[in-house]
Amino acid sequence: QSALTQPASVSGSPGQSITISCTGTSSDVGGYNYVSWYQQHPGKAPKLMIYEVSNRPSGVSNRFSGSKSGNTASLTISGLQAEDEADYYCSSYTSSSSYVFGTGTKVTVL
Amino acid sequence: EVQLVESGGGLVQPGRSLRLSCAASGFTFDDYAMHWVRQAPGKGLEWVSGISWNSGSIGYADSVKGRFTISRDNAKNSLYLQMNSLRAEDTALYYCAKDPYGDYVFGNFDYWGQGTLVTVSS
Repeated sequence: QSALTQPASVSGSPGQSITISCTGTSSDVGGYNYVSWYQQHPGKAPKLMIYEVSNRPSGVSNRFSGSKSGNTASLTISGLQAEDEADYYCSSYTSSSSYVFGTGTKVTVL
Repeated sequence: EVQLVESGGGLVQPGRSLRLSCAASGFTFDDYAMHWVRQAPGKGLEWVSGISWNSGSIGYADSVKGRFTISRDNAKNSLYLQMNSLRAEDTALYYCAKDPYGDYVFGNFDYWGQGTLVTVSS
């Protein structure tokens, strides 16, 4: 199972919006609404930010939103803040009854 | 508060075995599926294995199938990963993660431990 494709890096100024893409195939992202997104700060464990494409867990800021079109899922961070600087990973359930993660995106707040 | 505490990592020679444990607390352990996810140094996340609430459904990544075995003891609120025939490419921080559902399929990873480091080297 190949990793889902994410841009290596995305940057934005405070207050701006950024979008991170996550491209897979019809056997994973395109085939299921079980796409989730994780934030990971350096030296820390990942944190669930979005599940089932567009749902936010309790306690996650509404500045984070998710969507999907075809084989590509997206995470949008609006009103970018310094604390949003981190690595972000998408994940999808697959037709092999397994999970695949994205390659990861480093978000930099300028 | 959900807590997941991994243990059992360390330095091991190629071809040898290691058993990881994850102690869970703060939730009804036997209601939820659990997973192992690993991260090689400086690299991305990789799902390793998942197990349903009653051990009736289990899955593995192709990279570990036939070498790793996931199990759980609901009476002890614990998750395990038996790793045999270890290779250098298994070197990683191994995270225990909780699923919000009872079966390991069609889920996600809503809580994570801090990880235990496994280094495979001679």
